[in-house]
Amino acid sequence: EADIYQTPRYLVIGTGKKITLECSQTMGHDKMYWYQQDPGMELHLIHYSYGVNSTEKGDLSSESTVSRIRTEHFPLTLESARPSHTSQYLCASSELGDRNTEAFFGQGTRLTVV
Amino acid sequence: DAKTTQPNSMESNEEEPVHLPCNHSTISGTDYIHWYRQLPSQGPEYVIHGLTSNVNNRMASLAIAEDRKSSTLILHRATLRDAAVYYCILTGRRDDKIIFGKGTRLHILP
Repeated sequence: EADIYQTPRYLVIGTGKKITLECSQTMGHDKMYWYQQDPGMELHLIHYSYGVNSTEKGDLSSESTVSRIRTEHFPLTLESARPSHTSQYLCASSELGDRNTEAFFGQGTRLTVV
Repeated sequence: DAKTTQPNSMESNEEEPVHLPCNHSTISGTDYIHWYRQLPSQGPEYVIHGLTSNVNNRMASLAIAEDRKSSTLILHRATLRDAAVYYCILTGRRDDKIIFGKGTRLHILP
């Protein structure tokens, strides 16, 4: 059973607001990821981290930012939400190691900016 | 990152085996082959992974070609709950990112 949690599950917010999407995992995984997915479309990697104080941009450019102050926590922040940010955001984690273990995904946050 | 190629969609009848192909002709010797699936309105979930030998688990089997340039995910007896998008992904070095392609949308017919 995956122990990775995202909150909130759904968020409707007005343009210009600052928002933080939470992602926490209790598995002690070093690698964490954020993906963005529009309905019926593929997942795009927007941020990833290999451990505390490590953050990298993904393949899809995003106006969001992330932080990794604690191993278990990888929040994503939008300083000023816009309707173009409306999407589903998925967080994942996996071990860092040569065994190439699987990634575990949260249930996602569906964000709507009005 | 090495790339994979999968059919956009496939159909199968319920209770029959399903073979989902994946081509990865540029795979390197240290790349693992991973399969994930995404059920409707859910996050992706891990299915299976392998390096060189065929692999079996409770969800599926993974058949890897001898030259490793292709692989096949086998669902032995499809159910309606197996309708999902299936992704074939290569991951190499320990710090590799997990990059998803378009995957194969599997439709199960009752």
